[in-house]
Amino acid sequence: EVQLVESGGGLVQPGGSLRLSCAASGFDFFAYSMNWVRQSPGLGLEWVSYISSTSGTMHYADSVKGRFTISRDNARSEVYLQMNSLRDEDTAVYYCARDPGKLDYWGQGTRVTVSS
Amino acid sequence: IQMTQSPSTLSASIGDRVTITCRASQTINNWLAWFQQKPGKAPKILIYAASNLESGVPSRFSGSGSGTEFTLTISSLQPDDFATYYCQQYNIYPRTFGQGTTVEIK
Repeated sequence: EVQLVESGGGLVQPGGSLRLSCAASGFDFFAYSMNWVRQSPGLGLEWVSYISSTSGTMHYADSVKGRFTISRDNARSEVYLQMNSLRDEDTAVYYCARDPGKLDYWGQGTRVTVSS
Repeated sequence: IQMTQSPSTLSASIGDRVTITCRASQTINNWLAWFQQKPGKAPKILIYAASNLESGVPSRFSGSGSGTEFTLTISSLQPDDFATYYCQQYNIYPRTFGQGTTVEIK
């Protein structure tokens, strides 16, 4: 069974940093690209970042470019999102999603709150 | 690419046929997915590549369209279908979602 479990969320002050993790199981993690998608309270979905299976290609939303970094460890079957210079508007539930072209499996999400 | 869904909210009854529209600001070569999301839950994929039903999704859901205009149809609305629906293009980065359509009980 495919499982994606996010962790690392929490309360952080503006300007602070946080590192999210997504642990994958039930499939050959090394063969799949992965994404992060977020959802601000009461709002819609916003795609955040993409990483290819070999870490050769990464993409970012303009809203996080230069502040967030996606990475992965295929030996551990984990994908990460390093978030720096956090802003109030980064407050959201962050989901990781598997990507064989389509976003076919999602984790349950981890909540990030940026507030002083 | 901007994705625009309509309507934003839809009131319907059990058994109704429901149609949601998604328009892209430029062609996306049919690289469009539809998701269903219920409160407090992760999105669930329903349709990919505009018209392909994801495994395990009931056949009352269908997708159609091409180029820049796409539709999600629920042929006979069931109690489990009251939720918010999002379209998403995955033709180019940044991938973009529509703003969502909430299907409410009439």
